[in-house]
This record gives sequence, structure tokens and C-alpha cells, in this order.
Amino acid sequence: AQKITQTQPGMFVQEKEAVTLDCTYDTSDPSYGLFWYKQPSSGEMIFLIYQGSYDQQNATEGRYSLNFQKARKSANLVISASQLGDSAMYFCAMRESTGANSKLTFGKGITLSVRP
Amino acid sequence: DAGVTQSPTHLIKTRGQQVTLRCSPKSGHDTVSWYQQALGQGPQFIFQYYEEEERQRGNFPDRFSGHQFPNYSSELNVNALLLGDSALYLCASSLGGRFSPLHFGNGTRLTVT
Repeated sequence: AQKITQTQPGMFVQEKEAVTLDCTYDTSDPSYGLFWYKQPSSGEMIFLIYQGSYDQQNATEGRYSLNFQKARKSANLVISASQLGDSAMYFCAMRESTGANSKLTFGKGITLSVRP
Repeated sequence: DAGVTQSPTHLIKTRGQQVTLRCSPKSGHDTVSWYQQALGQGPQFIFQYYEEEERQRGNFPDRFSGHQFPNYSSELNVNALLLGDSALYLCASSLGGRFSPLHFGNGTRLTVT
């Protein structure tokens, strides 16, 4: 079974508007971490935001926020006030607590295009 | 503060050849992981090094091997290259911590012809 599911087709958003990128995950581990990364066409994977499974509040980092719904096993990324530079691939990823420094498991990614 | 650096940025090899990719972790980081990203896909975990030992390994054949040096830098070696090994190879570093974020380099684009 897929651990991280990102099923949205390419997403489009108007500049200055907000957009939500969906992510669902599957784990039986009660302790895990969820991450979002941005990958521009240059290829670098840029860390955006982190949410721990026991965190009581949704994570926020500047224009990025994570809508964490634990019971639904979803961790959607919300980007507010979109900018042209936000156009990129976005990946949701998870680290489970099994073993120290466990691997990061990625979804297939979502392409976001910001229109001027 | 230098981030994760990888070399070379691009590489073209022929089937059957061997290749070595290099990575220097972010300053202060002691754990290095390698990922393979095929076109249009998410990165796939190859292996992770900590204290100069391979700690975890993904579902990759033995043709993929690695090494970590005392200064925490790392190499990824791929033997007997196949066309299917063509991909972006990403190195990531982190500082211990079960859920510490991984910081990635710009990657090495490997093309096997």
C-alpha cells in the first residue's frame, strides 16, 4: 500500500490567491513526522514545513501552513498569497519512528503553476 | 553557512560503466542519505550513512554502494550501469533526531546511454 498519496493533477492558482495541495498518508506507527518539500525546475528539494504526529497545533511557516487532520490521515499544505516563484513541484513526505533516523518516504508530487 | 553540495551536476555514462557521485553535508550534519528520482516521480530512498556505516537501505540492488568519510562527506557508487539508472540523484543530510528535516543538495543528473 502506498504510504503517501498525492492524487491531484496539475494545480493552477492565480497570483495572490491561496491554494491547498492535498496529501494523505498511511501508517500504523503512532509516532511519525510529516514534511512538505518544494522542487523548482532546478532540481533542489527545498524543505517547507514539518508536522509531528503528536503536535497539538497545525504547523505554520510564513505563507505555508499545514492542515493536519490526524483521524483522516491527511496533511494538506496551504499556500497563502501565491507568488509566481511558487510555481514548482510539491512533495509530501513522511518519516516513521521505526529505528533512529528513519528514511523519508515521498509521494509522487503535485505540479503547481501560478498565473499572473 | 554552506548547504548540501553535490558533484558533479551532470554526468553522461555508457551502459556497463561505473560512476561515483559525491556529497558534502550541510555544516554540522552527521547523517547522509541518498535518493534516486526518476523523471516525474518522487525520490526513492537508496541508503543512509551515519558514523561511517550504512544504517538503512532501500530496495536497490548491490550495484548501488556507498561510503561515508570521517568528515561526514559521502559517495554513491553505481556499478554495471543500466539505462534505467538514468535519474536525478539527490543527497540529503540531517542532524540526528528522529524527525529532523532532511536538507537536500541540487542533485546530480545521471544519463546512461
